[in-house]
Amino acid sequence: QVQLVQSGAEVKKPGASVKVSCKPSGYTFTAYYTHWVRQAPGQGLEWMGWINPNSGGTKYAQKFQGRVTMTRDTSIRTAYMELSRLRSDDTAVYYCARDEGWEGAFDIWGQGTMVTVSS
Amino acid sequence: QSALTQPPSASGSPGQSVTISCTGTSSDVGGYNYVSWFQQHPGKAPRLIIYEVSKRPSGVPDRFSGSKSGNTASLTVSGLQAEDEADYYCNSYAGSNSVVFGGGTRLTVL
Repeated sequence: QVQLVQSGAEVKKPGASVKVSCKPSGYTFTAYYTHWVRQAPGQGLEWMGWINPNSGGTKYAQKFQGRVTMTRDTSIRTAYMELSRLRSDDTAVYYCARDEGWEGAFDIWGQGTMVTVSS
Repeated sequence: QSALTQPPSASGSPGQSVTISCTGTSSDVGGYNYVSWFQQHPGKAPRLIIYEVSKRPSGVPDRFSGSKSGNTASLTVSGLQAEDEADYYCNSYAGSNSVVFGGGTRLTVL
């Protein structure tokens, strides 16, 4: 079964960092880009960026430049998204999603990871 | 880049058709044939229902169709069913290897 499994919910204080993992199964990890999308409570979807698991190349949305880092560990077939200097408005569900490239056709999604930023 | 523009809400009765628009610019929707649509039920992850403007992934009913004219893409849901009630999001390739989403449309089946 093709799926993406994400790490569990996190609660962080303002100014801290959070690192969310995304582990695929049922397909070749390095054959698809891993994108990250977030959704604040009651709000819409927001694209954050992608990582090419094969090369390690990344592209970040301008809004998150300097605060987000996307990495991967091919030995354990896992992608990561780290967001630093957290603020209360970073409270959201963070999703990883699969795409053949960077065109936005996300055909497989993780279950989502709730990140709560609160003092 | 700015988010694509979608109407906040749409509605229709069972069996009817409803169309949801997604307006961008020549730098995103109008410039590429890479518009996708997603359906999201409450508390669930989004599901891809249309990609490359009008293609349907395997398993998506043909009641869902997509099109594009200029800078505006559209999703049409025909033969509305109760289970179609959900939030719908468009996205588009926006150049420079980036993607932009629309604000989302809540579809209500009356």
